[in-house]
Amino acid sequence: NAGVTQTPKFQVLKTGQSMTLQCAQDMNHNSMYWYRQDPGMGLRLIYYSASEGTTDKGEVPNGYNVSRLNKREFSLRLESAAPSQTSVYFCASSVLGSSYNEQFFGPGTRLTVL
Amino acid sequence: QKEVEQNSGPLSVPEGAIASLNCTYSDRGSQSFFWYRQYSGKSPELIMSIYSNGDKEDGRFTAQLNKASQYVSLLIRDSQPSDSATYLCATLGEQGGKLIFGQGTELSVKP
Repeated sequence: NAGVTQTPKFQVLKTGQSMTLQCAQDMNHNSMYWYRQDPGMGLRLIYYSASEGTTDKGEVPNGYNVSRLNKREFSLRLESAAPSQTSVYFCASSVLGSSYNEQFFGPGTRLTVL
Repeated sequence: QKEVEQNSGPLSVPEGAIASLNCTYSDRGSQSFFWYRQYSGKSPELIMSIYSNGDKEDGRFTAQLNKASQYVSLLIRDSQPSDSATYLCATLGEQGGKLIFGQGTELSVKP
């Protein structure tokens, strides 16, 4: 049981390049999330998927797109990377139900855009 | 704008002491509250969840919730150097399961 996995762990891009961050969970969770974490800004939600087939914008969606490929996988795409997207990106998953939403995080992807 | 506020610290305590971490939130409708621990360079790790007023204990950790005062705290008894990390408070936001995180409190436990 690997929990939440993310690839790649590190990435360096040049401005304007594109890339996709991959996330998978093996906990049979129905909800998945993408966050970015910047010094002094805390964790900010980019996009989330409450269930397979649905996606919604979070607090900072501009410059990103997502795909909920199936129940296990949720990818984040940067179409044209900008230096402002230099950050640590975390994927998380949870079982959505009533008041409970314990989210479990993947190890993160450290992205630098030059 | 729903907010979660934490003192950024750093909070420094000697080994064996009780560390007290505090968090306030603005949304009176919040129902679920979480404490995450994040070591430097690592991902957040869920250590406590609390849903009702009062105390919840798990080993050396105690979470305390006071909905009337919109206040949640985390006590760490017999603090160890390995507890040195940033502690993130989070509340469950609007429908859809979105968590709202505080900025985190850095804890340093000195041997």
